[in-house]
Amino acid sequence: AQTVTQSQPEMSVQEAETVTLSCTYDTSESDYYLFWYKQPPSRQMILVIRQEAYKQQNATENRFSVNFQKAAKSFSLKISDSQLGDAAMYFCAYRIEDYGGATNKLIFGTGTLLAVQP
Amino acid sequence: SQTIHQWPATLVQPVGSPLSLECTVEGTSNPNLYWYRQAAGRGLQLLFYSVGIGQISSEVPQNLSASRPQDRQFILSSKKLLLSDSGFYLCAWSGRGKGNQPQHFGDGTRLSIL
Repeated sequence: AQTVTQSQPEMSVQEAETVTLSCTYDTSESDYYLFWYKQPPSRQMILVIRQEAYKQQNATENRFSVNFQKAAKSFSLKISDSQLGDAAMYFCAYRIEDYGGATNKLIFGTGTLLAVQP
Repeated sequence: SQTIHQWPATLVQPVGSPLSLECTVEGTSNPNLYWYRQAAGRGLQLLFYSVGIGQISSEVPQNLSASRPQDRQFILSSKKLLLSDSGFYLCAWSGRGKGNQPQHFGDGTRLSIL
């Protein structure tokens, strides 16, 4: 069964600095999709970035980028030039392919709480 | 554009009372729909998902049930709430088929059982 592990329950970063959040996963599939979601204190879940396993190029969205290491089954999130608004819980998620892709279920890690210090 | 509505935002219920949380999606048709529960300080646990009207799959045995009476409506219910049902409940939708389609979440319902 697929699992997602986030080994850092909490992280802290100074404003304007860079921080990397770790995520590892376990799967026997060769084609899959990975996501990072952000949950600020408002509790709304916001998609940050997504990565297709068949793409070697790491995904980038403005200040957010990933380091996708397929062989190591690692999917870390790098936040550059951290801002106070980046403070949130960050969840890594793995998409399960089921029924030919019909269901699009996600398996989430337990999250990393990021604090941004002014 | 697509939007997802979930209500109520907050609910306080006594043990043993019934529950009904509603979720609706606008701007898309035939979405996949999901109910998650998030316990305090924990990750998201998938409770139910649905690929069509009347089609419900349960991920974990529990005191809750789900129904999908219309294409874009997803309801989470209980006949008798337990203390352990307290938590933050999130509804989500996604497109269907292969690809990097993400799930889009509602604003959630904070449920407290007294």
